[in-house]
Amino acid sequence: DQQVKQNSPSLSVQEGRISILNCDYTNSMFDYFLWYKKYPAEGPTFLISISSIKDKNEDGRFTVFLNKSAKHLSLHIVPSQPGDSAVYFCAAHSDSGNTGKLIFGQGTTLQVKP
Amino acid sequence: EPEVTQTPSHQVTQMGQEVILRCVPISNHLYFYWYRQILGQKVEFLVSFYNNEISEKSEIFDDQFSVERPDGSNFTLKIRSTKLEDSAMYFCASREQGGSYEQYFGPGTRLTVT
Repeated sequence: DQQVKQNSPSLSVQEGRISILNCDYTNSMFDYFLWYKKYPAEGPTFLISISSIKDKNEDGRFTVFLNKSAKHLSLHIVPSQPGDSAVYFCAAHSDSGNTGKLIFGQGTTLQVKP
Repeated sequence: EPEVTQTPSHQVTQMGQEVILRCVPISNHLYFYWYRQILGQKVEFLVSFYNNEISEKSEIFDDQFSVERPDGSNFTLKIRSTKLEDSAMYFCASREQGGSYEQYFGPGTRLTVT
């Protein structure tokens, strides 16, 4: 069951450049998408989210873009900093049922080189 | 800033033993969740809890698992008879009532079953 997929297991970028992390989904019932950042031995930390009625949400250096027709979202980090090095998870919430269950992708490990 | 806390950080147990993982969600949150992450895999939903009852559970959450909110602050996950394949990081999460679906995660409990 891979309703949320992050096809790139890893990404390496230079400090100051843009990091683009991608996520694809298959379930058209998903109505809300979230990005989480995770450091080793810690829990996922909420980063930014987007409702399915929007196509862009921006918060400081982080911007999430949603393309509903392509069932694709991306997280842009600009400029990237070494402290951004972590595993990034895309997660989706389904509108069916009101439990708020999140379905996660496999994660992308971002390394930002100084 | 309020945060979700979990104890213990690491639990080692023998196969067949019972374990209880404890969580203190953020105080004004009303939805509670358990997720797990087997090493190298994605974060998987186990169960959601609202209004003192389970609102949804995954296929993983079989009869060996139970959850409880014994008082106004704690939220526990019990595994009655642990198996080797239960070894994983277990994350508790909570969210407030309302339109936002952001869940806030605890630091996790690493469960090792030997």
